[in-house]
Amino acid sequence: DSGVTQTPKHLITATGQRVTLRCSPRSGDLSVYWYQQSLDQGLQFLIQYYNGEERAKGNILERFSAQQFPDLHSELNLSSLELGDSALYFCASSVAPRASGGNYGYTFGSGTRLTVV
Amino acid sequence: AQKITQTQPGMFVQEKEAVTLDCTYDTSDQSYGLFWYKQPSSGEMIFLIYQGSYDEQNATEGRYSLNFQKARKSANLVISASQLGDSAMYFCAMRVYQGGKLIFGQGTELSVKP
Repeated sequence: DSGVTQTPKHLITATGQRVTLRCSPRSGDLSVYWYQQSLDQGLQFLIQYYNGEERAKGNILERFSAQQFPDLHSELNLSSLELGDSALYFCASSVAPRASGGNYGYTFGSGTRLTVV
Repeated sequence: AQKITQTQPGMFVQEKEAVTLDCTYDTSDQSYGLFWYKQPSSGEMIFLIYQGSYDEQNATEGRYSLNFQKARKSANLVISASQLGDSAMYFCAMRVYQGGKLIFGQGTELSVKP
């Protein structure tokens, strides 16, 4: 157990639907990152939150949104789902959004595998 | 632009032999970190090893070592004495210090033959 909890592990849904993926960071970590891993795009950074605030945005579609709550858990909302959104979605957490050195405990969850049919 | 390149989509190695997985990176930042992750068929991302841009010594973690050549912008992973359980996808990644996100390469699929 890495300490980062993602639920659900698997999700199958139909096109046009909306889903919410949940991530609980490792205890003490303030920063949460979301990544998408698909066959054609590889592993891509979507968005980062630090202590409730958005810190960085990557290749996140407008149909996707995220937030980090006061208890530091984060949710990634995916709407108007398309077949191409089928992917493995990872959450990672770390202590701080940046550091002068070291890997500062960058930890991945086990991922949510989303299948859109 | 910041980029990670892994030029070996797939590799085979005999059990108990050593193998090198290639990784080159591109960044204009002076301060950065390089990671290697293992992703078995079950899907989880397992951290293997880390090298900071200012670290003078090559990082080592058990059977894993990172051959860091800063001038060539390469950060190759060396796995000594391969085991069947090493069969997996391996990703090289770079952390940019502003924000902390990771940029990943396309991965190398390693297969260890008995």
